[in-house]
Amino acid sequence: DAGVIQSPRHEVTEMGQEVTLRCKPISGHDYLFWYRQTMMRGLELLIYFNNNVPIDDSGMPEDRFSAKMPNASFSTLKIQPSEPRDSAVYFCASSPGTDTQYFGPGTRLTVL
Amino acid sequence: GDSVTQMEGPVTLSEEAFLTINCTYTATGYPSLFWYVQYPGEGLQLLLKATKADDKGSNKGFEATYRKETTSFHLEKGSVQVSDSAVYFCALTLSGGYNKLIFGAGTRLAVHP
Repeated sequence: DAGVIQSPRHEVTEMGQEVTLRCKPISGHDYLFWYRQTMMRGLELLIYFNNNVPIDDSGMPEDRFSAKMPNASFSTLKIQPSEPRDSAVYFCASSPGTDTQYFGPGTRLTVL
Repeated sequence: GDSVTQMEGPVTLSEEAFLTINCTYTATGYPSLFWYVQYPGEGLQLLLKATKADDKGSNKGFEATYRKETTSFHLEKGSVQVSDSAVYFCALTLSGGYNKLIFGAGTRLAVHP
């Protein structure tokens, strides 16, 4: 079975540009999570969804960040406009409703 | 608030050495405790977990025991291999708060031949 799929794996963009990260969770999983990982701040939960509905977005750093889950098999995390301090690895994870989360390989974002 | 504290890395060991990575937590209620591992260039994978006091989680030769009296969940392995080189994260889920993992800062382990 395919795991969590994220695209792109690497993204390099210039400051001010819009960035869209994509995630396909494991089929049948009801929960989807977006995390950000940096050296300075470690692993931070940005937002999570249950049955496509955002449950907790308290970790979203500011209004430049938005996340959507239009259906059970797809989610996006958008940054507009992007800034150099947004450079990080962004992970998507999904869960079937147990206490275990399954992580994707991550998207490494570099904002110049 | 609820939090996880791990020993700072990096931890550098020779192959076949004994490994301990310390983890302590602060939480209200009765959290479940986890160790996740992140290999270079990959996402996190669940290594082991324990859901109640005195439970021992184990996997791939790694073990950790949920100690409520010391609020600890230390990771151990009797004989590490080069392939164990990775970053290890201790984490908890909040009692009553579905599935929201709180991670420690991570501990990098480097094992040399």
